[in-house]
Amino acid sequence: GNSVTQMEGPVTLSEEAFLTINCTYTATGYPSLFWYVQYPGEGLQLLLKATKADDKGSNKGFEATYRKETTSFHLEKGSVQVSDSAVYFCALSERGSYIPTFGRGTSLIVHP
Amino acid sequence: EAGVTQFPSHSVIEKGQTVTLRCDPISGHDNLYWYRRVMGKEIKFLLHFVKESKQDESGMPNNRFLAERTGGTYSTLKVQPAELEDSGVYFCASSPIAGGANEQFFGPGTRLTVL
Repeated sequence: GNSVTQMEGPVTLSEEAFLTINCTYTATGYPSLFWYVQYPGEGLQLLLKATKADDKGSNKGFEATYRKETTSFHLEKGSVQVSDSAVYFCALSERGSYIPTFGRGTSLIVHP
Repeated sequence: EAGVTQFPSHSVIEKGQTVTLRCDPISGHDNLYWYRRVMGKEIKFLLHFVKESKQDESGMPNNRFLAERTGGTYSTLKVQPAELEDSGVYFCASSPIAGGANEQFFGPGTRLTVL
């Protein structure tokens, strides 16, 4: 079956540091890939997505590239801010499915 | 426009008791989903409503869980009787009839603790 593996947290960084959160996946078909973010006290929000190999999703300074050869979708940001502190979930969904398969989430803590 | 709301935000109950969680989707969204995240683990799908009908309930863990969506508006998820392993965060999401996985809007979740 499908699965998503992401690096365990918490990830603790200083403001303006470079961020990478690793995500790899297992899927039987050609899934779409997503990153969701949950800020404290709020619901999950779609951060970015990519629907086919070599696509790059980007939003709010975050980027992730769909790498089919390494089955990865790592999240990166060049300079994090305190306001980026949140839990980040990598997810996939097969074509035709409305139900995402989520990873375990990675907590990011950014200090001033 | 109001987002997906869930009530209560936190619930602490004893094993064997009953708890009912409520979800109000975005107005006009026909699709409503329930998910659960057990501490530190993946968010797992529980079930999917289209309007008042259960489209997919393959993720429901057992018959102690009952979900309803009378009238196709808000939904409730009842756990009766609650067990320790039911502790976790229960998320609700909604999407318009034409939406796919990337268009689900999530609520903030209800944190359930069973003692």
